[in-house]
Amino acid sequence: DLQMTQSPSSLSVSVGDRVTITCRASQSISNNLNWYQQKPGEAPKLLIYATSNLQSGVPSRFSGSGSGTDFTLTISSLQPEDFATYYCQQSYSLVTFGQGTRLEIK
Amino acid sequence: QVHLVESGGGVVQPGRSLRLSCAASGFTLSSYAIHWVRQAPGKGLEWVAIISHDGSNKYYADSVKGRFTISRDNSKNTLYLQMSSLRAEDTAVYYCARVNIVASIGGSFDYWGQGTLVTVSS
Repeated sequence: DLQMTQSPSSLSVSVGDRVTITCRASQSISNNLNWYQQKPGEAPKLLIYATSNLQSGVPSRFSGSGSGTDFTLTISSLQPEDFATYYCQQSYSLVTFGQGTRLEIK
Repeated sequence: QVHLVESGGGVVQPGRSLRLSCAASGFTLSSYAIHWVRQAPGKGLEWVAIISHDGSNKYYADSVKGRFTISRDNSKNTLYLQMSSLRAEDTAVYYCARVNIVASIGGSFDYWGQGTLVTVSS
């Protein structure tokens, strides 16, 4: 089975910080990697699809990169509304989600 | 405007069955594959099942294979998840989500429902 390992599991950050979350696949998934943001009590929201494509309406401070097995989500300058949990998801072979990264206020 | 609305959740005893529905509007349902994803209380996202746009292909997570059945009625703009032999570990919020590429199983989930809570407890 294809496994997705996301790190860190949580991060204490401040408004204005640059944030990087990583996701590693257990085998190559080409560019079939997507990122979601989830706030408490809400459904996940698509941020980035196919590694680096910004979903419509998502602020440009979010970006994604990587290929093969190693991927990153970067938030260039964290805003108050960005405190949430972030999940990576591979769509190369059915679906697997990472364990999630929770951004907490420092 | 695209909308997905889940219904059918509730409290059910272990070993019993439940059917969830996902009502779609604002787009041509017959053109899109739909997934079910669940989230246990305080836990991460777990993929459950997918059905292709025309219903010809269905895949399941190992944790639900043989117990859950995904189906769709495009004429009614509705997807279903029939859940049987329910276990305590099936307790979760269940979301339906649309694949962002027409007629493709692979891809990201661009629209999600609000979720419906299933609690398996005696």
